[in-house]
Formats: sequence, structure tokens, C-alpha cells
Amino acid sequence: DAGVIQSPRHEVTEMGQEVTLRCKPISGHNSLFWYRQTMMRGLELLIYFNNNVPIDDSGMPEDRFSAKMPNASFSTLKIQPSEPRDSAVYFCASSTQGLAYEQYFGPGTRLTVT
Amino acid sequence: GESVGLHLPTLSVQEGDNSIINCAYSNSASDYFIWYKQESGKGPQFIIDIRSNMDKRQGQRVTVLLNKTVKHLSLQIAATQPGDSAVYFCAEIGLNTGTASKLTFGTGTRLQVTL
Repeated sequence: DAGVIQSPRHEVTEMGQEVTLRCKPISGHNSLFWYRQTMMRGLELLIYFNNNVPIDDSGMPEDRFSAKMPNASFSTLKIQPSEPRDSAVYFCASSTQGLAYEQYFGPGTRLTVT
Repeated sequence: GESVGLHLPTLSVQEGDNSIINCAYSNSASDYFIWYKQESGKGPQFIIDIRSNMDKRQGQRVTVLLNKTVKHLSLQIAATQPGDSAVYFCAEIGLNTGTASKLTFGTGTRLQVTL
């Protein structure tokens, strides 16, 4: 099993640009989670999906952030427009619905907004 | 991935010794308590979980203890190895029937294994 796949691994962009992060969950997992990790705030849950449906997006910082899951094998997290304070490592994780505490994390995307 | 950095509590342990990492949790209604390990440049990795109606669970070289009276969780690692060097996060979750629920992560403890 390839595990959770994220792309790109690194992204450097200028303030105001649109950024799209991508995630492929583990096949057969029906829950998907987007997290952000920074030194100041630690690991924060942004949004999670269950069976491709967004369940809780209360962690999304503001309207500049949006996430979609068009099918069971693909999700995107978009930031438009990006700001320097969005610089962080963004993780995608997946799990089976009945084992939501056992999440499998991807390698993360390190985003730098200049 | 970025391991949360400069202000993390750090535990330094000599190789071969036992490590004990502690965590205080806040929500007495949580159903499961979990430990994750994050190595430098990687995403967190599930280690072990314990259900709220248990007070001890053992895995391979790891033991998790849960004290609900004082809302305390600990992870014990036997015969600590250099490969155990990482940041360790405790997490808690309340499970709702039919829906996925959210993990709430602690701030983390950095374990440094010295030779």
C-alpha cells in the first residue's frame, strides 16, 4: 500500500497567489482529514470528510480556504489568495470510519508564502 | 513535515533506558486516547490507543496508562532506541455513531535518545 499521497511536497509562492494542495487517501478509507502544523499553533484540524461529504469545517481559518473531495480517492485544499501567515506544513490523513482515532498521515506539503 | 519546535518540552533518555512521556488531557468525555509519533520530516504516525474504560494497554515495547481521576495519560517505551527519537503527541477523540469525529492533539514532547 502506497499510503496517503500528497502533492506537491514543497510549494513556494508569492502573496496573493492561489495555492492548491492535493491528497490521495488510502484506498478503502472513507474518512479524510486536512491538518495544518506550525510552531506557534501545533497541529490543527482544518476540515474533515466522511464518505466525500464535509462534516466539520470549523477549523478552516477563513473564506480564503476551501476544500473539496470530488470522489473517494482525491481531495484538494485551496488557498486563494495566499498570505505569508499561511506558511505551514499541511497534512492530509485518512482513516476508516469506525477507527477515526487511527489516522494515517501523508508526508505533508511544506508551504512557504513570501 | 515540520515537527513543532523550539518550545516543546524535551525528554532526554539514554539508549537502553525506559522512557516515560506524560500528557494531561482536558475532555473527560473522550472515548479514546491515542499516542502518535512524528519523526523529523514526516507526518505523525499512530502508535497505540486506549479506550476510556481501560487503564492500561500494552503493545510492542510500549505501554499506555490512563488515569481518569486526574486526567493523565502516559506512554512508556521500554529499552529506548535511537529510532525512538521523535516528537510524541497525545490525542483524544469522542466517537459519534455513524460519523467520523475529530482528534484533538496535545502540544507534543520531544524525545531525544542519547548514545
